[in-house]
Amino acid sequence: AQSVTQPDIHITVSEGASLELRCNYSYGATPYLFWYVQSPGQGLQLLLKYFSGDTLVQGIKGFEAEFKRSQSSFNLRKPSVHWSDAAEYFCAGLSGTYKYIFGTGTRLKVLA
Amino acid sequence: NAGVTQTPKFQVLKTGQSMTLQCAQDMNHNSMYWYRQDPGMGLRLIYYSASEGTTDKGEVPNGYNVSRLNKREFSLRLESAAPSQTSVYFCASRGLEGGFQHEQYFGPGTRLTVT
Repeated sequence: AQSVTQPDIHITVSEGASLELRCNYSYGATPYLFWYVQSPGQGLQLLLKYFSGDTLVQGIKGFEAEFKRSQSSFNLRKPSVHWSDAAEYFCAGLSGTYKYIFGTGTRLKVLA
Repeated sequence: NAGVTQTPKFQVLKTGQSMTLQCAQDMNHNSMYWYRQDPGMGLRLIYYSASEGTTDKGEVPNGYNVSRLNKREFSLRLESAAPSQTSVYFCASRGLEGGFQHEQYFGPGTRLTVT
């Protein structure tokens, strides 16, 4: 069965440090993958998406993600974290034409 | 352009009461979705509507019904609320205009408590 896994429930980093959030997927064909961010009390906002082509994709707010088929991973990265990046991050994949599978989320805490 | 709107923002129900969560989008999107979000479980799909006039069950449809009233509106109804339905509910939409758009756009959510 198709699945999306985020192994880290919580991540804490210091402001200015680099960040990597992990996402692993289990799909038969080339997956369509997404990263969303959710600030407290808000809906989800799309950070970036991967469909095909260049495996390094750039998103909003300085985020990027790299698709690695050999590792079944789509990890989210940011070179220097800002306090405003504290939020919950969700990796998701498109399953079939209409359904999406979401990971369980990673909550990011940023230390001043 | 409001995007995806949801009403109400908060609701408290007693067990057995019914209510309808409303969702509307002004992006002319074809597909609409209802999710519930519970701590540690991510988002789980309740129902979706691929296009006006169609609805299909998702991962957790029991206890819910939906109506795709028109292209803009997609409502979620709880006929007899149970404490297990305490959750945050998100509506989302996705367009299939021109190039194939894959990403969803989310509403702000409805926080529902059933006592």
